[in-house]
Amino acid sequence: EVQLVESGGGLVKPGGSLRLSCSASGFTFRNAWINWVRQAPGKGLEWVGRIKNMPDGGTADYAAPLKGRFAISRDDSINTLFLQMTSLKIEDTAVYYCTTGLGPAPELAFDYWGQGTLVTVSS
Amino acid sequence: SYVLTQPPSVSVAPGQTARITCGGNNIGSKSVHWYQQKPAQAPVLVVYDDSDRPSGIPERFSGSNSGNTATLTISRVEAGDEADYYCQVWDSRSDHYVFGTGTKVTVL
Repeated sequence: EVQLVESGGGLVKPGGSLRLSCSASGFTFRNAWINWVRQAPGKGLEWVGRIKNMPDGGTADYAAPLKGRFAISRDDSINTLFLQMTSLKIEDTAVYYCTTGLGPAPELAFDYWGQGTLVTVSS
Repeated sequence: SYVLTQPPSVSVAPGQTARITCGGNNIGSKSVHWYQQKPAQAPVLVVYDDSDRPSGIPERFSGSNSGNTATLTISRVEAGDEADYYCQVWDSRSDHYVFGTGTKVTVL
C-alpha cells in the first residue's frame, strides 16, 4: 500500500523558516517524481513544486511566486522528501501535501496524496 | 502562465447528472486529471488522462476533453458525491502543474 506521511508543520512567525518532511512507502521512491501542493484555508489547490528522480536529473522546479524562498530536496536512502521554506509570509499559511503518481512523467496524474501538514504563519 | 477556469458551484438533485467544466486555452491538446476533495480530507484522483478512471472509482464518473473545454460528468449523483472538484494539467511551456479554480458540487 502506498503511503505518504507529511510532518514538520506548525506555527512560525513571519520571516521565519520551516522544514517539512514527507516519508514514503509502498512504492519505489527513487523512481518517482514527487510534488508539493498546498491549500490555504478555504481556498483551492496550488502547486508548490516538484523534484524529479535522480535518473532524470534530480532537479527541482517551483511555482514562480515561490522560487527563491522554497527548496525541495530528497533523500532516496530513507525514502523521504523535504520542503525547506524560508522568509515565510502570512500568505504561506496552508495545508501542505506531498503527492505523486505512477504514470509517465511529466504528465502524470497525482494518484497518491499524504494527509497534509498545516503550516501557520502568524505573529 | 496557463490558467484553468471552473464554475464556482454546481447544484444537482440526487439521481441527476452533474457536469463540471474546466476551461483553458487549447486544453484539448493536454491530458486533464480530475480530483475530488471532501472537507478536511486530501484530494482523491477520480479521472486521469481525460477519461480514464483509477481502480475503485465508480463508473458514474467520466471525463471528456476537446477544444478549450474539459468536462467531468457525474451520472446518477449521490449525496456522497458532494465535494469540491479540481481539474489539473501539466503545462509543457512552463513545465509546471496547474490546478483549476475548483467547483463545489452541492447535492440538493
